Amino acid sequence: ETGVTQTPRHLVMGMTNKKSLKCEQHLGHNAMYWYKQSAKKPLELMFVYSLEERVENNSVPSRFSPECPNSSHLFLHLHTLQPEDSALYLCASSQDRTGHSPLHFGNGTRLTVT
Amino acid sequence: DAKTTQPPSMDCAEGRAANLPCNHSTISGNEYVYWYRQIHSQGPQYIIHGLKNNETNEMASLIITEDRKSSTLILPHATLRDTAVYYCIVSPGGTSYDKVIFGPGTSLSVIP
Repeated sequence: ETGVTQTPRHLVMGMTNKKSLKCEQHLGHNAMYWYKQSAKKPLELMFVYSLEERVENNSVPSRFSPECPNSSHLFLHLHTLQPEDSALYLCASSQDRTGHSPLHFGNGTRLTVT
Repeated sequence: DAKTTQPPSMDCAEGRAANLPCNHSTISGNEYVYWYRQIHSQGPQYIIHGLKNNETNEMASLIITEDRKSSTLILPHATLRDTAVYYCIVSPGGTSYDKVIFGPGTSLSVIP
């Protein structure tokens, strides 16, 4: 149990579908993150939220849309994805976003786009 | 931003100490060294971090050289469950994880 829960664990979707990934943290942290991990590639930071405000968007395509309704929940809305978007999507949280507190990761959603 | 260099893979016999090296020659004075590991099909797990002094917790020990240009993560008695990819990262001081770069890490195989 990491304190960060992601659902679903696995998702298969067509390129015309709309789906959402959910993340919930039970650690009282103030910062939350979405990372993408493609096969044979290092983790890539997608979005950062601090106190429910988005503070970073690393040139992520608009077909990925994050939402942070409160400090405990984070969503990643997906629409018209491409097969190259197939990857493991990881949510993480930290006490603050200074980089001086450890990241706590969920176990990810394995996404396959067909 | 500081980056790290790690060997791509290592083997360790079960029950022996696993010593995983990391080079971070461009590290700045206020940057921390963090270690995470990722077991297959799971998210990365925080192990330990340090600034200057050596650190120890229930999982591992972290040895940082005096010039802070390299560090070693030590798993004192490796078990099969320690087989994972280990990431060494440097956290830029005073700024956010936006600037943190995860490399490919070291794939540690613990052999029976």
